[in-house]
Amino acid sequence: AQRVTQPEKLLSVFKGAPVELKCNYSYSGSPELFWYVQYSRQRLQLLLRHISRESIKGFTADLNKGETSFHLKKPFAQEEDSAMYYCALSGRGNDMRFGAGTRLTVKP
Amino acid sequence: NAGVTQTPKFQVLKTGQSMTLQCAQDMNHEYMSWYRQDPGMGLRLIHYSVGAGITDQGEVPNGYNVSRSTTEDFPLRLLSAAPSQTSVYFCASTPRFGAGNYGYTFGSGTRLTVV
Repeated sequence: AQRVTQPEKLLSVFKGAPVELKCNYSYSGSPELFWYVQYSRQRLQLLLRHISRESIKGFTADLNKGETSFHLKKPFAQEEDSAMYYCALSGRGNDMRFGAGTRLTVKP
Repeated sequence: NAGVTQTPKFQVLKTGQSMTLQCAQDMNHEYMSWYRQDPGMGLRLIHYSVGAGITDQGEVPNGYNVSRSTTEDFPLRLLSAAPSQTSVYFCASTPRFGAGNYGYTFGSGTRLTVV
């Protein structure tokens, strides 16, 4: 079974501080992992995919198969990063499973 | 190019009523799905479709029906609304699944309240 765990429901940091949103997954094969972001009153949008190894808005995420993790990181948080972040996993099946989400608040 | 369009944005139903949530995409995506978003539970998959004429159940399908008569449209039907179905519903689409998964494009959501 595929499962995504985001252990922190809430995360608060100060502007300019590093931020790390944790994501652990359970899957027996080679998963495709994603981070989505939902800003206040907006629809969910794709932030980044592990397969493209990209950096979007200063965020990066590395797939660690040994630790089955896909943590999202940014070295210097900005107030506009305040949002709900969801980690998601797509396996062999035809569905994508989401974690419960982490609400990030960046304080001035 | 409108992306994924959901209607209505808000709806209040009485227990036992039925209704259809509409979802349409203009990107020629093969794959469409419906999720419900509840506090502390993230997004849970209700139903999905890998192409016109093909649908399948997700994690929480009970109380919901879907159909996919065209590539563009994927309506979600609530057969007999219950308070437990109070939620925010999201429709999403992607060109295809499997290798090279591009990730989803989401609609703006429908906030449903069942009283």
